[in-house]
Amino acid sequence: DTGVSQDPRHKITKRGQNVTFRCDPISEHNRLYWYRQTLGQGPEFLTYFQNEAQLEKSRLLSDRFSAERPKGSFSTLEIQRTEQGDSAMYLCASSFPGTTNEKLFFGSGTQLSVL
Amino acid sequence: EDQVTQSPEALRLQEGESSSLNCSYTVSGLRGLFWYRQDPGKGPEFLFTLYSAGEEKEKERLKATLTKKESFLHITAPKPEDSATYLCAVRSGNTPLVFGKGTRLSVIA
Repeated sequence: DTGVSQDPRHKITKRGQNVTFRCDPISEHNRLYWYRQTLGQGPEFLTYFQNEAQLEKSRLLSDRFSAERPKGSFSTLEIQRTEQGDSAMYLCASSFPGTTNEKLFFGSGTQLSVL
Repeated sequence: EDQVTQSPEALRLQEGESSSLNCSYTVSGLRGLFWYRQDPGKGPEFLFTLYSAGEEKEKERLKATLTKKESFLHITAPKPEDSATYLCAVRSGNTPLVFGKGTRLSVIA
C-alpha cells in the first residue's frame, strides 16, 4: 500500500494519560500535515512539516501537543495529560508541494476517545 | 481569515434525483478550491481542484464549478454509493487548507 498510513486506528485512554500517534506519509512527499476532526465538523489544521522542519502551528495546538518528524520521514503527534475535549479523529496528510495542484492525501485517521 | 461555509448541512436524495451542494468562501487571494469526499471512519479522499472563476471539472456523476464567491458540486442521477460527506476547502497564499463543515449526502435506493 503506497498511501498515507496512520497507527493506531483507534485509541481509548483515561483522562490525564499521554498518547502518541504515528503517521507514515507517501514516500516521495516531503510535506506532512496534522488535522483534527470532531463529529459534524470539517478537519481543523494543527501543524505541518516540510521535511523535518515544523513550519506552522495552529493556535488550536496547546502546549500539551507536540509533533515531530525526525529525518523528514514519519511523524508522531503526542498529547500529554489528555482531556475529554481532546476526543476527536486525528488525521495526517501528505503532499508534494511546489506544483500548481498541491493536493493533500489523507490517511484513515486515529480515533481518540478520552474517558 | 479564510472562511468556508457549506450548505445544506445534510441532504437526502432518492436514487436518480439530481441536486447541488454549495460552498461559499471568503479568502484573500484564492490559490485553489478543493472538493473532497469522506466516508464514515475514513480520511477525506480528493475529488477536484478549481483555480479560477468559470472553471469546471467532472468525474463520473460529479461536476464541480467555481465562481468568484462560491463553488457548486452538482450530482447527476446519484446512486446509493455516492452517499458520503462532501467537504470543500480553500487555500490562499501558502496557508494550509481551510475546510468547511461538509454536507452529509444520503442517497436512498
